[in-house]
Amino acid sequence: DADVTQTPRNRITKTGKRIMLECSQTKGHDRMYWYRQDPGLGLRLIYYSFDVKDINKGEISDGYSVSRQAQAKFSLSLESAIPNQTALYFCATQSGYYNEQFFGPGTRLTVL
Amino acid sequence: GNSVTQMEGPVTLSEEAFLTINCTYTATGYPSLFWYVQYPGEGLQLLLKATKADDKGSNKGFEATYRKETTSFHLEKGSVQVSDSAVYFCALSEANQAGTALIFGKGTTLSVSS
Repeated sequence: DADVTQTPRNRITKTGKRIMLECSQTKGHDRMYWYRQDPGLGLRLIYYSFDVKDINKGEISDGYSVSRQAQAKFSLSLESAIPNQTALYFCATQSGYYNEQFFGPGTRLTVL
Repeated sequence: GNSVTQMEGPVTLSEEAFLTINCTYTATGYPSLFWYVQYPGEGLQLLLKATKADDKGSNKGFEATYRKETTSFHLEKGSVQVSDSAVYFCALSEANQAGTALIFGKGTTLSVSS
């Protein structure tokens, strides 16, 4: 079984719709991250959480919100999706003792 | 602030050719440095890492040496295979702090033909 899972893997939605992307992990890591990947821009950090009660904005948090429901779960929401949020979204986890991050398989989101 | 700069791609090579993907960084102190690889349709996987100056990370025939004097961490492989076709990301984490957010370069696409 995969250590970091993301659902859905693909999603097509319309402008103005609310959408939630979910991430779950079995690695027991405290730290979780959400990134978006766009061609030519690499990965950009949206939000991150160092434990259940800790939420921090990243480089590009506008238009997004997150919820850390448990140590193992970290959800990303788009309250009112817009076309320029079309991207590949990755969740990642990290131990507090090491710097490596472990990534989920990604969610491809298309906003029409 | 901290940043990572990678050579722009795509890089197109024939099988068994030598590969170099350049990566330079800007950071205070001694950050940890990473190369991640993203195969088509998949998430990022850690390829190799180095945590201090002059360390050499290696994995699957790939190597990179942490060069403090040139602030570089170039990725090399002596003989690439078609299966190495992927996007490669250089990344760093802040010095002396475990469990911090990584800063990624923009990625370099490698395409290897037989």
